[in-house]
Amino acid sequence: GDSVTQMEGPVTLSEEACLTINCTYTATGYPSLFWYVQYPGEGLQLLLKATKADDKGSNKGFEATYRKETTSFHLEKGSVQVSDSAVYFCALPQYSGAGSYQLTFGKGTKLSVIP
Amino acid sequence: GAGVSQSPSNKVTEKGKDVELRCDPISGHTALYWYRQSLGQGLEFLIYFQGNSAPDKSGLPSDRFSAERTGGSVSTLTIQRTQQEDSAVYLCASSSTGRAYTFGSGTRLTVV
Repeated sequence: GDSVTQMEGPVTLSEEACLTINCTYTATGYPSLFWYVQYPGEGLQLLLKATKADDKGSNKGFEATYRKETTSFHLEKGSVQVSDSAVYFCALPQYSGAGSYQLTFGKGTKLSVIP
Repeated sequence: GAGVSQSPSNKVTEKGKDVELRCDPISGHTALYWYRQSLGQGLEFLIYFQGNSAPDKSGLPSDRFSAERTGGSVSTLTIQRTQQEDSAVYLCASSSTGRAYTFGSGTRLTVV
C-alpha cells in the first residue's frame, strides 16, 4: 500500500540555520502531498501542499517540491526561527473507497530551534 | 464554529472505565475523521464519517472502540474498558473536500 518515509529526528538547529526534512513516498499514481505542522500543545495544521509533479508548495518561508523522479517531497527553509520549533509530518491521501480519503502520515520530525 | 473543537482537552481515567471523547467539526464540513497519536506509533487512522454514508471503521483497533456522528455534525468516540495502551492523543479532523483536513487540538487520554 501507499506509504510515507520521513526523517525522524529529533533535529536541533540554531536560529537562522538551514533546514531540510526528508520525505519520500510510495504510492500508486500521483497523489497530492502535504506537510503538516504541530506546535506544542496544539493539533496539526496544514503547512503546505502540492497536487502534482513539479509543483512547489510554500508557506511561512517553508518550501517543498513534488519530485516524481525521486518520489520525494522534502521540506526546506533557508533560515529557521525559534517559533518554528514544532513537529513536522509529511502525509499523502489514499483513496479507500466510498469517497473516503485517509491521510497516511510519516512518523513526524521534531524540530527544536535554539536562539 | 471557526475551528474543530474537541473536548475534554485532557482526560485521566482508571483502567477498565469507559470514556467518551467529543468532536465538534467545522460547520458545513461533511467529512469527519478520528486519528490516534501515540508515542512510537505516529498517527493512526481510526474511523471516517462522510455525510450519511456508513462510516469507514477499518482503523478501529478493537471492538472496545466505537464512534457515532449525530445529525451529520458532532461525533463521539467511545472507548470501553480502557487499557493502558489506549493512552494517547485522540485527534479529530473535518473536511469539506475529502483531502484538506482541519484538525482539532486533540484530547490527551491517560489511562492509569
